[in-house]
Amino acid sequence: GIQVEQSPPDLILQEGANSTLRCNFSDSVNNLQWFHQNPWGQLINLFYIPSGTKQNGRLSATTVATERYSLLYISSSQTTDSGVYFCAVEGGSYIPTFGRGTSLIVHP
Amino acid sequence: DGGITQSPKYLFRKEGQNVTLSCEQNLNHDAMYWYRQDPGQGLRLIYYSQIVNDFQKGDIAEGYSVSREKKESFPLTVTSAQKNPTAFYLCASSMGLAEHYEQYFGPGTRLTVT
Repeated sequence: GIQVEQSPPDLILQEGANSTLRCNFSDSVNNLQWFHQNPWGQLINLFYIPSGTKQNGRLSATTVATERYSLLYISSSQTTDSGVYFCAVEGGSYIPTFGRGTSLIVHP
Repeated sequence: DGGITQSPKYLFRKEGQNVTLSCEQNLNHDAMYWYRQDPGQGLRLIYYSQIVNDFQKGDIAEGYSVSREKKESFPLTVTSAQKNPTAFYLCASSMGLAEHYEQYFGPGTRLTVT
């Protein structure tokens, strides 16, 4: 199956800092989603982005499918951005495979 | 409001007992999924269902069973055969298994077996 690697595994920021999270995948994909898991465990959809660039407020994402990676940008981070960010990809079977996530802590 | 509900939020059981986790959705989604999450780990797929009365094993199905008798419901039973059942269990749904269909998640159930 498709292998998904996320980096960095852990990230600690001061409020107001910018960051880039990366998701590498081992094969061509049909779907790619970014999720944020809050401290209570709820996963929230951030982006559906199999290719191209999307922006939503302080967050944006870019997927370069031909080079098999996706980036999630967080600008002007806030304490509420803390949590774990997951990348999930789907190959030909359309069954999602998740990476191990990037754990983000934003200090005030 | 449309969404996915899981109950209970916390569940405690003694070793050797079967336990059933509930997952209900009112999004009119055809596909439903069960994942397991261990501390510091990603999500691993247990079972998924594309349509009523049909389901498929995921990567870690051993010790688990499911049913899909109604479109809205996809309960997961953790049997006594599951060697390490303590974990966070997440249910998800999507319109189907195809392009452009996003997954949506329930709030999860934390199961502790002692």
